[in-house]
Parts: sequence; structure tokens; C-alpha cells
Amino acid sequence: AQKVTQAQTEISVVEKEDVTLDCVYETRDTTYYLFWYKQPPSGELVFLIRRNSFDEQNEISGRYSWNFQKSTSSFNFTITASQVVDSAVYFCALSEAPSSARQLTFGSGTQLTVLP
Amino acid sequence: NAGVTQTPKFQVLKTGQSMTLQCAQDMNHNSMYWYRQDPGMGLRLIYYSASEGTTDKGEVPNGYNVSRLNKREFSLRLESAAPSQTSVYFCASSEALRAGSEDFGDGTRLSIL
Repeated sequence: AQKVTQAQTEISVVEKEDVTLDCVYETRDTTYYLFWYKQPPSGELVFLIRRNSFDEQNEISGRYSWNFQKSTSSFNFTITASQVVDSAVYFCALSEAPSSARQLTFGSGTQLTVLP
Repeated sequence: NAGVTQTPKFQVLKTGQSMTLQCAQDMNHNSMYWYRQDPGMGLRLIYYSASEGTTDKGEVPNGYNVSRLNKREFSLRLESAAPSQTSVYFCASSEALRAGSEDFGDGTRLSIL
């Protein structure tokens, strides 16, 4: 069975600090996908990144970066120079390689609060 | 382009009442999903439809039924609502075999008294 663990329930930082959100996953599949979603206070889910298990390159998108390490089954997310608008719940998710439908297994989320 | 549209956005039911949540997508995606989100938890899959004409149970299907009406629409029905089904419900769609993400609707906040 698949499992995603986000051990950090809540994190508070002061604006402009860097913050890393941890994600550890379990799967028996050799091919799988990892995702990060953002859920702002308004409640919608915003897709941030999708990474497949064969691509261990780190990715940077503006102030966001992701560190994927298969050896430790981790897919951590770093926000550099955090801003108040980054305050949200962040979810890490995992899915098997799709044959037909792609079902996501979510972690329980990390509530990030960025203080001005 | 509306993406994934869910109706209603909010609903209050009494225990034992029935209700259907509607979901429609305009991206020509084959796969559609229903998730529920409870406080302090991530989303959990209720049912999914890999393609038109097929539906399968997810992690938490008890108390729900679904219908894939056509390629665009995927509805979720609560036959006899229970307080334990108070949750936020999200519909999603995806083109499973192509790179990309699930596209999620904005959610339906359902309270059962």
C-alpha cells in the first residue's frame, strides 16, 4: 500500500525566511509520480509540481525548489524568501504509474504560516 | 475554459437525507475522481472513473454511489447522509497517460446535522 507522511503539522516563519516542508513516501512500485499541491485559505487546490520516479533532478521554479531523493524516499519542498502569500496548507501526494486512472494518495498536509 | 465545475458549493443536510453532488469537466479528460477532505487530513479517494462507462471504489467508498453520466460528468450520491460524511468534497479529472496534473474543482462543503 502507498503512504505519504508529512510529519510537520504546522510551521511558522517570519517573512523572508527560507522554509522546507518535508515529505516521505512509501510505495512498492518502481514507477510512480510525486506531487505537491497548495491549498490557500480560500480552499482550492493549486498544483505546484509533478515529478516521476525516474527523474531525480532537483527543480527550481522561482522561489520554489524541490529535492527528490529516492534513496531516502523523500520529496522535500523549499520556499526561499517566504512571503505572507505563501501561507497555506501544502500537500504532498503520490500515485502509481497510470495504466488507466491515476489515483492520488495524499499526506495529511503542513500548515505554513508566514508572519509579516 | 471553466476546468472542473462542482455544484453546489455549500450544502447542509439532515441525517438520513439524500443528495447528489455534481461535477463536470470541459477538458476532454478520460478519468474523473471524487475525494473527501476532513479537518487535519489530506484528501482521500472515494470513487474514480478511469473512462466513460467504468467506475471503481477508492479508499473510502462506503455510504456513497457514483455515476459517470458521460465523458464530461461524474456525480456522487449520498443515499442516506450521516454526520460522519460531513466533509469537503473535491472532484478532479485527469488525462492519465499524459504528463500533467489532476485538475481539481473548488470543492463542495457539506454539513450533515
